[in-house]
Amino acid sequence: DIQMTQSPSSLSASVGDRVTVTCRASQNIDNHLSWYQQKPGQAPKLLIHGASRFQSGVPSRFSGSGFGTDFTLTISSLQPEDFATYYCLQSYSIPLAFGGGTKVDI
Amino acid sequence: QVQLVESGGGVVQPGRSLRLSCAASGFIFSDYGMHWVRQAPGKGLEWVAVIWYDGSNKYYADSVKGRFSISRDDSENTVYLQMSSLRAEDTAVYYCARVTALRSFDYWGQGSLVTVSS
Repeated sequence: DIQMTQSPSSLSASVGDRVTVTCRASQNIDNHLSWYQQKPGQAPKLLIHGASRFQSGVPSRFSGSGFGTDFTLTISSLQPEDFATYYCLQSYSIPLAFGGGTKVDI
Repeated sequence: QVQLVESGGGVVQPGRSLRLSCAASGFIFSDYGMHWVRQAPGKGLEWVAVIWYDGSNKYYADSVKGRFSISRDDSENTVYLQMSSLRAEDTAVYYCARVTALRSFDYWGQGSLVTVSS
């Protein structure tokens, strides 16, 4: 089974900061990596799919990169509504696996 | 617009069974695979199960294999999760999600809370 290691588990940031979250797969997953944002009491929301492709309607300050085993989600300029928990998901092989999550707060 | 609405959650005793439903609308249901994902209180997301768009394949997380069963009824635009031999560690919010051709989850339900407790 593929394991996803996400870091950091939490971070503190300010509005306007550039924020980077990373996910590392235990083996190659090509570009079968997506990123999700979850706010308290809400379902996750798709931000990035195919490692770097924007989901329709997602602000352009969110971007993704990587291929193979190492992936990054970047928020170029953090906005108040971006304070949330972020998860990566590998869908290269079953069982699918989420990263442990990164909580972004002030 | 695409909507996924879960139902069937509640409080259940250990060892008992429960069936969750996820009613879909706003898209051609039979064109899409569907997944269940759960989240224990205060914890991260855990993938649970998938059913192919045509029902031909079903796969499960090891933690639920042999106890949970996923199915779909395309005439009702609904995917189900039959849960049996429930344990305290199955307590979670259960989400259904639609999977795209690029293997990401583009739409999620609002979640249904299952609490396993005596």
